[in-house]
Amino acid sequence: DAGVTQSPTHLIKTRGQQVTLRCSPKSGHDTVSWYQQALGQGPQFIFQYYEEEERQRGNFPDRFSGHQFPNYSSELNVNALLLGDSALYLCASSHHFSPLHFGNGTRLTVT
Amino acid sequence: DQQVKQNSPSLSVQEGRISILNCDYTNSMFDYFLWYKKYPAEGPTFLISISSIKDKNEDGRFTVFLNKSAKHLSLHIVPSQPGDSAVYFCAASAYYDMRFGAGTRLTVKP
Repeated sequence: DAGVTQSPTHLIKTRGQQVTLRCSPKSGHDTVSWYQQALGQGPQFIFQYYEEEERQRGNFPDRFSGHQFPNYSSELNVNALLLGDSALYLCASSHHFSPLHFGNGTRLTVT
Repeated sequence: DQQVKQNSPSLSVQEGRISILNCDYTNSMFDYFLWYKKYPAEGPTFLISISSIKDKNEDGRFTVFLNKSAKHLSLHIVPSQPGDSAVYFCAASAYYDMRFGAGTRLTVKP
């Protein structure tokens, strides 16, 4: 039973560019949440997708957007990258109110 | 906004002794609390949770205590083992929103 898978594992982008991160949820899960984890900090909630719609959003600018597909997989898009966007991006899936299951994350470096 | 705080960045204990990790929260709407454990190069993994209607939940060596009046929860690990060495995150949720603390790095020395 595959858990949450994220791709790519590492990514280097230049300031001002755009990036797309991908996530496949754990089998049986229909809800996907995205988190940003900066060095030395806990995961910060970006947004959550359910039934292909953004259900809740954290305190992140509109440069951060997402999408959920009919097969429950999800993408996180970040436009106009800033140096401060460098972080580990974690995807988590769940079903109803079950605990979140996290992927291993995508390490994004913005230069 | 730091709604969930873990004020101890690190904790070191001897193998076999008790580890106590603490967490404070500010939002009274939180009704479900969790602890996650994270090893390097891996995502956080769920450890134990507690609903706001309870004040204690046990799972083997792990016990979580919740003090709603103080908006405080703690994780007790007894006995601590070297394999428990990891970063522990406290999390609190209200509806669909889950917030995490900054984590406490636990080191269990043999």
